[in-house]
Amino acid sequence: SQQGEEDPQALSIQEGENATMNCSYKTSINNLQWYRQNSGRGLVHLILIRSNEREKHSGRLRVTLDTSKKSSSLLITASRAADTASYFCAPQRIWGAGTKLIIKP
Amino acid sequence: SQTIHQWPATLVQPVGSPLSLECTVEGTSNPNLYWYRQAAGRGLQLLFYSVGIGQISSEVPQNLSASRPQDRQFILSSKKLLLSDSGFYLCAWEGNDNQPQHFGDGTRLSIL
Repeated sequence: SQQGEEDPQALSIQEGENATMNCSYKTSINNLQWYRQNSGRGLVHLILIRSNEREKHSGRLRVTLDTSKKSSSLLITASRAADTASYFCAPQRIWGAGTKLIIKP
Repeated sequence: SQTIHQWPATLVQPVGSPLSLECTVEGTSNPNLYWYRQAAGRGLQLLFYSVGIGQISSEVPQNLSASRPQDRQFILSSKKLLLSDSGFYLCAWEGNDNQPQHFGDGTRLSIL
């Protein structure tokens, strides 16, 4: 059964704006990972956050984790056209359908 | 550094034909290996994973099988392809359960 569920399914914003994607899951986890997938390509790992961590940063990316609410968010600040991709969360490596992010120039 | 190779990139096969997709990893030992299938616009469905040579776990009953004849080689096979086997197949490796997965570039399989 599906573990991670991303929200929204699709997001279209202007270049320079911030993009926030959310992920909810159902069972206890040791870690949660976020990945990016460009169309027709493999997935690229972005950030791994462990269950005892609440927030993690990597460049323009910020991931939060709330284990009490079984949810996580991915924030991309100052978005660029190159950020256009699908973003997936994977709680315990069980994947959601992803959020398709489009950055308009 | 570690790399993962997956081939072919695209494949068109007739219904009922056999299948063999290969994935190899370089630069690491005893990786966990995974085969996923992704339908258009959807997330990843885990098909098989392996924690060692000859050790294969299947996540869903299906027309496919997997084998790991060598430490860094993972093969996805079918004796007779079905139309429903069409999709984007991804191979991935990881060092252990708490490390990121690293993906190949995928194989786009079309069944006619």
